[in-house]
Order: sequence, then C-alpha cells, then structure tokens
Amino acid sequence: DIQMTQSPPSLSASLGETVSIECRASEDIYSNLAWYQQKSGKSPQLLIYYASSLQDGVPSRFSGSGSGTQYSLKISGMQPEDEGVYYCLQGSKYPLTFGSGTKLEIK
Amino acid sequence: EVQLQESGPGLVKPSQSLSLTCSVTGYSITSSYRWNWIRKFPGNKLEWMGYINSAGSTNYNPSLKSRISITRDTSKNQFFLQVNSVTTEDTATYYCARSGRPKPFDYWGQGVMVTVSS
Repeated sequence: DIQMTQSPPSLSASLGETVSIECRASEDIYSNLAWYQQKSGKSPQLLIYYASSLQDGVPSRFSGSGSGTQYSLKISGMQPEDEGVYYCLQGSKYPLTFGSGTKLEIK
Repeated sequence: EVQLQESGPGLVKPSQSLSLTCSVTGYSITSSYRWNWIRKFPGNKLEWMGYINSAGSTNYNPSLKSRISITRDTSKNQFFLQVNSVTTEDTATYYCARSGRPKPFDYWGQGVMVTVSS
C-alpha cells in the first residue's frame, strides 16, 4: 500500500494568515492527490483534485501544488469557516489511502 | 443534484454482520462512476473500504477482503455494504461516496455511526 505522511498533525492560525499542509507519498503518485476538508459533524468535502485543480465552488484562497511524492495545500488568508480537519488522499493505486489528517484551528 | 444517504443499525454485536445501505438520488449508479464505502475511526483515521462500479464489478481493500461484500439493487438505485465477523475495531462512522477520474470522492453521504458492542 502507498503510505501518506501528512504534517503537521495540528495547526493554529490567525485570521488572514497563510497556512500550509504537507503530504508525502511513499512512492510516486503522479499528481493523483486530492485534498479534503471535514468540518465537525459533517462529511469530508473535496477541495482540490489532481494535485492543483480547484473543485467547483471552493474559494480561490485554497490552492494545491506538488508532484512526484511531495504535495501541499495552501490557504491564503485563513477565515473562521476554514476550521476543520484536512486530509490528503492518493488516487494513484488501490487501495486508496488517506493521510492522517491535520486539525486546523483559529488562533 | 447528486445525493447519497446511508442507513442502517447504529449498534452491532461482536461476531455479527454489519449491513448498511446507501441510497443515491440524482444519478443512476449504472450510468458511470464508482460507488464507494469509506469509514472514519475514532481518532480521525479514514479508510477506503471498497467500491462497486457502474457495471457491477467490485474492488475491496485487501485489509478487509475476506470480510467485506458490496452489492447493489439497481431497481432502487442503492448499493450495500456488509462486513462479517465484526469486532470493536469496526466501530466507526461509515460513509458512502462517489468517485471518478479525475475527481475522487466528489459526493459523500452524511455518514452513519456504527458501534460494535455487546
């Protein structure tokens, strides 16, 4: 199985701050990387797919980048509604595997 | 709009089977896409469990392969999850979700919490 190492496990950011979350795959996943946001009591929501493509309806302050084994999610200007847990997912090989999650809170 | 909704018992006894239903509206499960089950354990870990595709073929996570079955009822536009011989480690919130290329898991159900306990 492809292992996804996500960091940091938790993050606290001020309003308007830019934050980054990283995911490293145990092998090349050829940009088959997605990012999800899960708010408390809700199901995960797709933010980014194919490493850098923004899902319809997702604010442009969210962006994704990376290639090979290293990927990142950036939030440019933290907003209160961005609190939640963020996960990466590799879609290159089955079984699909998720990162361990990053809990993002407002400072 | 595509909508998915899970249903099933919230409490299952150890060694019994867990059975859940995902009802899909707004899209036919026989048209395209893969229809998945995913679970989230206490402590936030997410695990992809398996899918049934539009043709009826399945693919399961090897970690569950001997205990899991995903089937469907095309007349009701539903698909199902069965996990046999459950233990307390199967306690989780279970989600159904749609996936396709290039967008994995673009629509999700609201999730159903299942506790395995005697």
